[in-house]
Amino acid sequence: SQTIHQWPATLVQPVGSPLSLECTVEGTSNPNLYWYRQAAGRGLQLLFYSVGIGQISSEVPQNLSASRPQDRQFILSSKKLLLSDSGFYLCAWTFGVGSEAFFGQGTRLTVV
Amino acid sequence: AQTVTQSQPEMSVQEAETVTLSCTYDTSENNYYLFWYKQPPSRQMILVIRQEAYKQQNATENRFSVNFQKAAKSFSLKISDSQLGDTAMYFCAFMTPKTGANNLFFGTGTRLTVIP
Repeated sequence: SQTIHQWPATLVQPVGSPLSLECTVEGTSNPNLYWYRQAAGRGLQLLFYSVGIGQISSEVPQNLSASRPQDRQFILSSKKLLLSDSGFYLCAWTFGVGSEAFFGQGTRLTVV
Repeated sequence: AQTVTQSQPEMSVQEAETVTLSCTYDTSENNYYLFWYKQPPSRQMILVIRQEAYKQQNATENRFSVNFQKAAKSFSLKISDSQLGDTAMYFCAFMTPKTGANNLFFGTGTRLTVIP
């Protein structure tokens, strides 16, 4: 069966520090991968998606970047965090057209 | 651009009653998929129900059903016999197959509280 792992679960980082959130999928190959941010009281904002190794599309230009160094690994990064980067980050994957999205447990990021 | 609108930030319903959550979307595509996801306090996203745009029949999943009006671009969720465990954030989502990606967009959510 397929599973998705996302870590860390919680993170407190100072302003200006770097960020690296990691997401891995098991039990499938060539998934579509997504990073979402859920700010307090708001919906899910699509940040990045990827259809293959090294292929990243950005939906919202901002302080963050994403990379996909391996087929089932998706990384969200920042060189210098801003206060506005605080939020709940979710990684998700789908396996085909119209398929259900499976989500990780999420990372609560607080920038102080 | 595709957009998903949920106009009800919060709703409440008495246990065992029926509630309907609304969702509208905007797209120029003819082939797409619609979803309702539930996010309980644990924050784990769970699929509630799925609808394919080319199917006229409304999807049903136990106590959950949708009213899909393609011409009106409306996709509401009806929860019958509400239970305390239904208390959660509910997100409407839209997926349109594109070359090289399946973009999945979400609305802002409706917080549903089931009152005992």
